[in-house]
Amino acid sequence: KQEVTQIPAALSVPEGENLVLNCSFTDSAIYNLQWFRQDPGKGLTSLLLIQSSQREQTSGRLNASLDKSSGRSTLYIAASQPGDSATYLCAAYNYGQNFVFGPGTRLSVLP
Amino acid sequence: NAGVTQTPKFRILKIGQSMTLQCTQDMNHNYMYWYRQDPGMGLKLIYYSVGAGITDKGEVPNGYNVSRSTTEDFPLRLELAAPSQTSVYFCASSPGQGNSPLHFGNGTRLTVT
Repeated sequence: KQEVTQIPAALSVPEGENLVLNCSFTDSAIYNLQWFRQDPGKGLTSLLLIQSSQREQTSGRLNASLDKSSGRSTLYIAASQPGDSATYLCAAYNYGQNFVFGPGTRLSVLP
Repeated sequence: NAGVTQTPKFRILKIGQSMTLQCTQDMNHNYMYWYRQDPGMGLKLIYYSVGAGITDKGEVPNGYNVSRSTTEDFPLRLELAAPSQTSVYFCASSPGQGNSPLHFGNGTRLTVT
């Protein structure tokens, strides 16, 4: 059974810093992995989806990588801004199953 | 473009009461999902549907029921509410299974006392 973890649970950084969020999964036979952003009191917004055949995806200041052999994905945020403050969740999809979500990392970017 | 719309936003139920959480999407997506999110936990899948007339259980279906009579609507029914069902409920949709981004509603915060 796929299990997804995210460490740390919370992270505070000063504005302008580059940062990395981590996502680990136990079953390396994933089909793809998706990163989401969740603002307080809101639903999840899909940021990036990485297929198993890809090693990374980029969107603006965000870059997500996928290493199936080590069971890890990272979300890199460049030049962080206070508006990036949110909870970031990852979810792993194994073919024929459903997405399994991690508990999320709560990010605070301090002005 | 409304996307995925959930109603109500908040609800307080007494133990033993029933209610229906509404979810509708206007993107003509075949796949729809209901999740619950508890503090510090990832989202848990309650039920999902791969198209009108087809539903299936997820990881935590006990105490819930769903129906999918149209592509647009996927209501979640709580029968005999219990305190363990206090949670935030999210509806999501996608055009395909697993290979497409999930689109989420803004959630329903339910308290059972």
